[in-house]
Amino acid sequence: TQLLEQSPQFLSIQEGENLTVYCNSSSVFSSLQWYRQEPGEGPVLLVTVVTGGEVKKLKRLTFQFGDARKDSSLHITAAQTGDTGLYLCAGVKAGNNRKLIWGLGTSLAVNP
Amino acid sequence: ETGVTQTPRHLVMGMTNKKSLKCEQHLGHNAMYWYKQSAKKPLELMFVYSLEERVENNSVPSRFSPECPNSSHLFLHLHTLQPEDSALYLCASSQEARLNTGELFFGEGSRLTVL
Repeated sequence: TQLLEQSPQFLSIQEGENLTVYCNSSSVFSSLQWYRQEPGEGPVLLVTVVTGGEVKKLKRLTFQFGDARKDSSLHITAAQTGDTGLYLCAGVKAGNNRKLIWGLGTSLAVNP
Repeated sequence: ETGVTQTPRHLVMGMTNKKSLKCEQHLGHNAMYWYKQSAKKPLELMFVYSLEERVENNSVPSRFSPECPNSSHLFLHLHTLQPEDSALYLCASSQEARLNTGELFFGEGSRLTVL
């Protein structure tokens, strides 16, 4: 059973479109991170969210942590070809067991 | 220099070969990690080193042998690998205070193919 479910698994859109990808779980997380991995590279940390209901913005990217800290979303406005990549979410489960749990990722292709 | 560098970027080896992957971080971090990334699987944590001591070994087969000579360098020694070990091997670093809880800085990865 995948602890962190990411959807959609694949997404192909045209430049200029908006999109939202999701990271969902039935477990509560004390924090959650989003990474972007471009082809042939390692993941790069985009943001960490720690408070339920928190919203963080990074230029055209908006990240939200669910009120119950079980889910998160990433919204991209006016996507650009440079946004192409694998978006990974990773969370630390609440409690004493400090483990980073990874989702499978959403593979995004932004076409010119 | 980039924060975390890995060499080689690509490696092809036979099942009887012995090779090593190298990772170097220039961020002043004191925790380093090896991850395995395979298709259709989440990132798998293999080893964690904190202050040059191994603090985690997630049931990784003995054909993978890590080495951390100092807080800036991490190696993964490979011997008698299997074809199913073919994957992208990622090195990462973090502050020790954030051990195993994220805010990881990854290298570019070493793409390993075992024939």
